[in-house]
Amino acid sequence: KNQVEQSPQSLIILEGKNCTLQCNYTVSPFSNLRWYKQDTGRGPVSLTIMTFSENTKSNGRYTATLDADTKQSSLHITASQLSDSASYICVVSSGGTYKYIFGTGTRLKVLA
Amino acid sequence: GAVVSQHPSWVICKSGTSVKIECRSLDFQATTMFWYRQFPKQSLMLMATSNEGSKATYEQGVEKDKFLINHASLTLSTLTVTSAHPEDSSFYICSAHTLWGDTDTQYFGPGTRLTVL
Repeated sequence: KNQVEQSPQSLIILEGKNCTLQCNYTVSPFSNLRWYKQDTGRGPVSLTIMTFSENTKSNGRYTATLDADTKQSSLHITASQLSDSASYICVVSSGGTYKYIFGTGTRLKVLA
Repeated sequence: GAVVSQHPSWVICKSGTSVKIECRSLDFQATTMFWYRQFPKQSLMLMATSNEGSKATYEQGVEKDKFLINHASLTLSTLTVTSAHPEDSSFYICSAHTLWGDTDTQYFGPGTRLTVL
């Protein structure tokens, strides 16, 4: 069964600290993996996208990694800011059918 | 980057009325658009896949006569919630699928907050 699991479900950190969010998937076939940031009451916004051959991708303070062998991805946020408070969603695309499988998300709260 | 718009951004209506939500890809053509709904503190739930010029494909448990989808052009899809009831109150998000080179991806709209009184 195609599944995407994220951990932790929620996370609270202090401003300026780093954090890492995890995404494990069992999707096959695999096309690509995206991390999205969703602010409350808004649509998701893409942070990074990685295909099978890529194992790291950065976007400012966001760095995503992908281990296609273990089917794991992580999103590392450096020097967190209050504006990083949001839900982070891992989405895996299943090639061929362009089916998108969503993780349940991690709710991040950054405190001053 | 690619932009997807939704209109309206929020709507309040009386029970029994119908509400139409538009989803537009502003700077690219999308043969496929997806419609999602999202309840508070939950992830997006796919409702239906909309293909230009053909009937939408609905996910299990989603009533096609309740949620009418029309994808009349490569840049516009509409979702009509017919005879809306309070339990239809939710956040509705569309996304447009496209190919950039060999990479398939989807771009999300900003969402529409529907409140049915």
